Amino acid sequence: GIQVEQSPPDLILQEGANSTLRCNFSDSVNNLQWFHQNPWGQLINLFYIPSGTKQNGRLSATTVATERYSLLYISSSQTTDSGVYFCAVLYNNNDMRFGAGTRLTVKP
Amino acid sequence: EAQVTQNPRYLITVTGKKLTVTCSQNMNHEYMSWYRQDPGLGLRQIYYSMNVEVTDKGDVPEGYKVSRKEKRNFPLILESPSPNQTSLYFCASSPRTFYEQYFGPGTRLTVT
Repeated sequence: GIQVEQSPPDLILQEGANSTLRCNFSDSVNNLQWFHQNPWGQLINLFYIPSGTKQNGRLSATTVATERYSLLYISSSQTTDSGVYFCAVLYNNNDMRFGAGTRLTVKP
Repeated sequence: EAQVTQNPRYLITVTGKKLTVTCSQNMNHEYMSWYRQDPGLGLRQIYYSMNVEVTDKGDVPEGYKVSRKEKRNFPLILESPSPNQTSLYFCASSPRTFYEQYFGPGTRLTVT
């Protein structure tokens, strides 16, 4: 089956710093999403981004499907950005696979 | 308020005692899905449904059943729970397959 790898596994930042999270996938995908799981466990959809670039406030994402990767950019990080960031891919039209996540800690 | 609700939020049960975790959404979404989250294994899809009466297996369907008799509800049924089903379960819905998903708050299940 498809492999979805996220890097780095852990990231510690000072408030105000920028960061880039990466999601690599081993095969062609139909779609890709980024999610944030906050420290209380709630999962929130960030981006639905099968290709191209999207921006939402301080967050933006880019997917280059032909090169099998996606990037999530967080600018001017805040303590509320802490949590785990997951990418998930849809392949074979109906099968979904999550990456293991990047755990982000933003220190004040 | 648009939301996905799950009940119960926490459940401790014993091996073999049938249980149902309910999931309901008020957004008229066609697609609904169940996931389990385990340390070291991440999130894995159990079952999904693309519409009423249309369900299919995800990555880890063994030991689970689902039904989709109404658009808003997608219950997860454990006919004979076992300790390896101890996990954090999430229900999600979206307007269509794999579009922006809205997640429920999670159900933490412990099977002893």
